[in-house]
Amino acid sequence: ETGVTQSPTHLIKTRGQQVTLRCSSQSGHNTVSWYQQALGQGPQFIFQYYREEENGRGNFPPRFSGLQFPNYSSELNVNALELDDSALYLCASGTGNTEAFFGQGTRLTVV
Amino acid sequence: AQTVTQSQPEMSVQEAETVTLSCTYDTSESDYYLFWYKQPPSRQMILVIRQEAYKQQNATENRFSVNFQKAAKSFSLKISDSQLGDAAMYFCAYRSPHSGNTPLVFGKGTRLSVIA
Repeated sequence: ETGVTQSPTHLIKTRGQQVTLRCSSQSGHNTVSWYQQALGQGPQFIFQYYREEENGRGNFPPRFSGLQFPNYSSELNVNALELDDSALYLCASGTGNTEAFFGQGTRLTVV
Repeated sequence: AQTVTQSQPEMSVQEAETVTLSCTYDTSESDYYLFWYKQPPSRQMILVIRQEAYKQQNATENRFSVNFQKAAKSFSLKISDSQLGDAAMYFCAYRSPHSGNTPLVFGKGTRLSVIA
């Protein structure tokens, strides 16, 4: 167990809709990152939050946004869903540049 | 930008035997971190082993060890005495050492099957 939990585990949405994915990190983990993992691929970095501020972003459009809260929880929001957004979304938390601790992921299907 | 390449999409090993998974990376940095993560069907990424680039000694965690060749930018994972529970996707990942918590850069993964 990594102490990082994500909800929901599975989700089906319709193209054009909006979705919010949630992550609860371990107490003390001041950094949370979100990754998108398409089928058969490695995870791709979406963005990262450090002490509630976004401090890094991958090659994803602005319709991907996030929040980090003081209670070590965070959200990934995706607006105007597209079919290509179907993927496993992973949350990872940590305290520095050592290992990241991952949640079990949310499988998002856009139809 | 850093890149990580895993050239073996699939590997298989007999139970109790040894298997080596390959990983190469490209970077201009002299200091960094390398990781192997395991992703079983449950989907949760589990850290297998970590290597700091400034350390010459290869990391070892029980049955798992790495062969870190900094000049060749190679970071292979050796699994000894393979067990059925080792069957999973294995991802090699790179992380820069800069402050501010840099993201992980992953390879595409190697699917390992363990044959009883």
